[in-house]
Amino acid sequence: AQSVSQHNHHVILSEAASLELGCNYSYGGTVNLFWYVQYPGQHLQLLLKYFSGDPLVKGIKGFEAEFIKSKFSFNLRKPSVQWSDTAEYFCAVTRRDNKLIFGAGTRLAVHP
Amino acid sequence: GAVVSQHPSWVICKSGTSVKIECRSLDFQATTMFWYRQFPKQSLMLMATSNEGSKATYEQGVEKDKFLINHASLTLSTLTVTSAHPEDSSFYICSAKILNEQYFGPGTRLTVT
Repeated sequence: AQSVSQHNHHVILSEAASLELGCNYSYGGTVNLFWYVQYPGQHLQLLLKYFSGDPLVKGIKGFEAEFIKSKFSFNLRKPSVQWSDTAEYFCAVTRRDNKLIFGAGTRLAVHP
Repeated sequence: GAVVSQHPSWVICKSGTSVKIECRSLDFQATTMFWYRQFPKQSLMLMATSNEGSKATYEQGVEKDKFLINHASLTLSTLTVTSAHPEDSSFYICSAKILNEQYFGPGTRLTVT
């Protein structure tokens, strides 16, 4: 069965630090990849997505992700985090039937 | 654009009663909506796919007679938790699909006492 793994369950950073959250998926075929963010008390919002083309994807709020097919990875990055980036981040991949599978999520806490 | 609402945002009910949760796409039509369940500190688990005008398709292990889904129009899907029990307490989230993207509602927190 397809699966999505997020390696970091909890990340704590200081403001201005760089961020990289790992995401690996198990399916070897064509996939669509997503990163969602859930701010405290709010609903899931799409940060960025990859369907095809340039493997380096830029999203909202300065986030980017790189699709590396050979590593089955889609890591999320931000060069300098802010306190307002404190949230939970979910990586997701479409299944063969085009439905979403989510990773377990990574809770990011950014300290001022 | 692409706003999805849910109602209610939270509900407390007694064991044995039924609860209906609504999911609406406010500014677009969605032939497909999804219902997820999120346990504390865990990820979203897909429960079922709601298709306008046809029966919902349920994920393995989800009881279709317990979680009734109705998608009567292109902007509304409802999830009814029948004969709710404390173990049904959870955060229920819907999403509506446009092309290859899903837009999520704010979720409904259900507590069964």
